[in-house]
Amino acid sequence: EDKVVQSPLSLVVHEGDTVTLNCSYEVTNFRSLLWYKQEKKAPTFLFMLTSSGIEKKSGRLSSILDKKELFSILNITATQTGDSAIYLCAVDSNYQLIWGAGTKLIIKP
Amino acid sequence: DGGITQSPKYLFRKEGQNVTLSCEQNLNHDAMYWYRQDPGQGLRLIYYSQIVNDFQKGDIAEGYSVSREKKESFPLTVTSAQKNPTAFYLCASSLDWNTEAFFGQGTRLTVV
Repeated sequence: EDKVVQSPLSLVVHEGDTVTLNCSYEVTNFRSLLWYKQEKKAPTFLFMLTSSGIEKKSGRLSSILDKKELFSILNITATQTGDSAIYLCAVDSNYQLIWGAGTKLIIKP
Repeated sequence: DGGITQSPKYLFRKEGQNVTLSCEQNLNHDAMYWYRQDPGQGLRLIYYSQIVNDFQKGDIAEGYSVSREKKESFPLTVTSAQKNPTAFYLCASSLDWNTEAFFGQGTRLTVV
């Protein structure tokens, strides 16, 4: 059975800290891994990863995929209170999205 | 098991035909949503419903219709008026308007 596991489930840090969120997966036919930031309603697309070892970067956020060890990490440096959200990882397997439970990130001022 | 079920997983239709995508949830959630995802893009909101018997247009409602006759069901009809219907469609639900949403596995619609 396809599954995506995110850790930790929740994380509280202080503004300015760096955080690393994890997403591991076991799927039958991996096509891509996606990261989303969900604040209120529609998740905001962050990254789509298809190749191992190639870091994708957007401002203070970066992500990398390891297809051998079957995981991805999402890094956020110099965190700000606006980074507080649920971060969702999803894996496209056979054209179906398998969702992780999300990591709830709280940034304290 | 509680969750959101979308069906079918894959759907092929001829151009000009209407097609209905199913979304069912047994989480007792009041709010339900339909999104569309195109390659390389984020999710775009089509329609949402905050409570049974009520629904509102999202950002890209043209060419789509929905109904919310039961709390657990929020079917989406892709009509022949939708110019580019081929896409991946995601359904979601949340306890209420202000809580996090949970997503189904999606339906991939291909119109030929």
